[in-house]
Amino acid sequence: AQRVTQPEKLLSVFKGAPVELKCNYSYSGSPELFWYVQYSRQRLQLLLRHISRESIKGFTADLNKGETSFHLKKPFAQEEDSAMYYCALSGRGSGGQNFVFGPGTRLSVLP
Amino acid sequence: DVKVTQSSRYLVKRTGEKVFLECVQDMDHENMFWYRQDPGLGLRLIYFSYDVKMKEKGDIPEGYSVSREKKERFSLILESASTNQTSMYLCASSFLHTQYFGPGTRLTVL
Repeated sequence: AQRVTQPEKLLSVFKGAPVELKCNYSYSGSPELFWYVQYSRQRLQLLLRHISRESIKGFTADLNKGETSFHLKKPFAQEEDSAMYYCALSGRGSGGQNFVFGPGTRLSVLP
Repeated sequence: DVKVTQSSRYLVKRTGEKVFLECVQDMDHENMFWYRQDPGLGLRLIYFSYDVKMKEKGDIPEGYSVSREKKERFSLILESASTNQTSMYLCASSFLHTQYFGPGTRLTVL
């Protein structure tokens, strides 16, 4: 079964502290992994995808196939990082390409 | 820049009413999706479509149906709205494994 888990519903850190949002997945194959972000009163948008191996807004995420994890990290959190973060995977299902989202983690960066 | 629009930002309906939620994308994407977003549950897939007149059930299709008569438009239909369908509904289209979301429709069923 395809599944994405995010163990923390809420994560609070102080400005300037490191932050790590955890994501684990189960998928029988080679999925693509993503992080999506939703800032207050904005639409859900792509933050980064593992295949790009890029850093967006200081965030990085490494795919660990052995641990089936795709944790999102940032060395120094900023107040504007406060948002809802969703981990997601994309793979091939019976009907073609499909997407599975995790339950989300709300990140609160305190001043 | 991909644009996904949804017909209403806020909608209030009564139990038993038939409800139509419309979604339009302007980038000629083949894939379109409907999700509902609830606190603590994340995004749950209701239906998706890979082409005109084609539809596939997602994880929670009960109580919903969809229509895709044109490539750019994907409609979600609540045949007889119930209070447990009060939620935020998100439409998305996708290209090369990336999803592009609409602003959402917050539906309240009284």
